[in-house]
Amino acid sequence: DVKVTQSSRYLVKRTGEKVFLECVQDMDHENMFWYRQDPGLGLRLIYFSYDVKMKEKGDIPEGYSVSREKKERFSLILESASTNQTSMYLCASSMGTSEYNEQFFGPGTRLTVL
Amino acid sequence: GEDVEQSLFLSVREGDSSVINCTYTDSSSTYLYWYKQEPGAGLQLLTYIFSNMDMKQDQRLTVLLNKKDKHLSLRIADTQTGDSAIYFCAESGSASKIIFGSGTRLSIRP
Repeated sequence: DVKVTQSSRYLVKRTGEKVFLECVQDMDHENMFWYRQDPGLGLRLIYFSYDVKMKEKGDIPEGYSVSREKKERFSLILESASTNQTSMYLCASSMGTSEYNEQFFGPGTRLTVL
Repeated sequence: GEDVEQSLFLSVREGDSSVINCTYTDSSSTYLYWYKQEPGAGLQLLTYIFSNMDMKQDQRLTVLLNKKDKHLSLRIADTQTGDSAIYFCAESGSASKIIFGSGTRLSIRP
């Protein structure tokens, strides 16, 4: 059973703080993704990674960075949190090659920046 | 660019059929998906359809694909309270990416 876990369900931070969101998957998936989910906007891709130490920008990378030092772990970093980064953050993973490219999601981290 | 559009809300009576509609722009998408997000949870793949198919049925779920009009729909027969969720339409993008719509919140009234 595929499991994607995220380090926190809820997080409250102050403007200007550095924030780390951690994601771990246990299925040896090559691909990992970070999305943010906002009402009416759906899921927007922030960054993704095909392999260890590989990263690619998604649609909204500004204000974020990522780190993938181990295959199972993908971290999202907010260098200096701002109030407009208050959102639900979802991590997902998928196999490098699969028939229909299913992504498996973690439960999400709801981040509030005050 | 790639875009997926769907209405934000749908309300149906328990026991009726729910139909959630979606339009997409990328005609080269290989797969189209419906993901379900229950309250407080991440997304979970509900069903998918290969782009050369017109229809796929799986128990209470029926997916219809009109490739000419780039229109995808999800029909849930005999809608139950447990079907309350946000349903995301999505299309396969380049390089293992998936492009998601804004999600349709389905609410069930007694």
